[in-house]
Amino acid sequence: GQSLEQPSEVTAVEGAIVQINCTYQTSGFYGLSWYQQHDGGAPTFLSYNALDGLEETGRFSSFLSRSDSYGYLLLQELQMKDSASYFCAVRDRSNDYKLSFGAGTTVTVRA
Amino acid sequence: IAGITQAPTSQILAAGRRMTLRCTQDMRHNAMYWYRQDLGLGLRLIHYSNTAGTTGKGEVPDGYSVSRANTDDFPLTLASAVPSQTSVYFCASSDGRDTGELFFGEGSRLTVL
Repeated sequence: GQSLEQPSEVTAVEGAIVQINCTYQTSGFYGLSWYQQHDGGAPTFLSYNALDGLEETGRFSSFLSRSDSYGYLLLQELQMKDSASYFCAVRDRSNDYKLSFGAGTTVTVRA
Repeated sequence: IAGITQAPTSQILAAGRRMTLRCTQDMRHNAMYWYRQDLGLGLRLIHYSNTAGTTGKGEVPDGYSVSRANTDDFPLTLASAVPSQTSVYFCASSDGRDTGELFFGEGSRLTVL
């Protein structure tokens, strides 16, 4: 099976930088995705890393180290609208390439 | 563009009743999925379908069934609901590209009493 660990909560002020770490254990790792969810609404896709390194998309960046079974999502220049839950998800060959999600990190941005 | 439409948005159901959650997509995606979300547990895969006419079991399939008669529709049925099936159910689809991206519906909140 797959297991993912990410912190349950993070609090930061507007304008700050937040890093959400995700460590995973899986037998057939293929890629790591990140999703954002506001107030229990539809999760929305943020990024995907299949290779080692940093992927940047505006204020958000995602990093992957396959050798360390580790990735992170970096949120820069935090805004109030970034208050949400963030999920990492692994894509696994042994699971027919289906996504398995972590429990999520609730990010609270304070003024 | 509607994307993925789920119905009902919310439902309260007596234990033992049969319930079907509907999911329709207009993106012509081949793959579709049903996840349930419970507090502290993230999203767990119930069933999936890689293409019309095929289905597969996810992490938590017991008590649920699905069908995929065509590309657009992927209903989830609870044959005899139990309180532990109280959850928020999300339908999702993917276009098969190697991007790790799923497109989610707005969810169906189900309470089984």
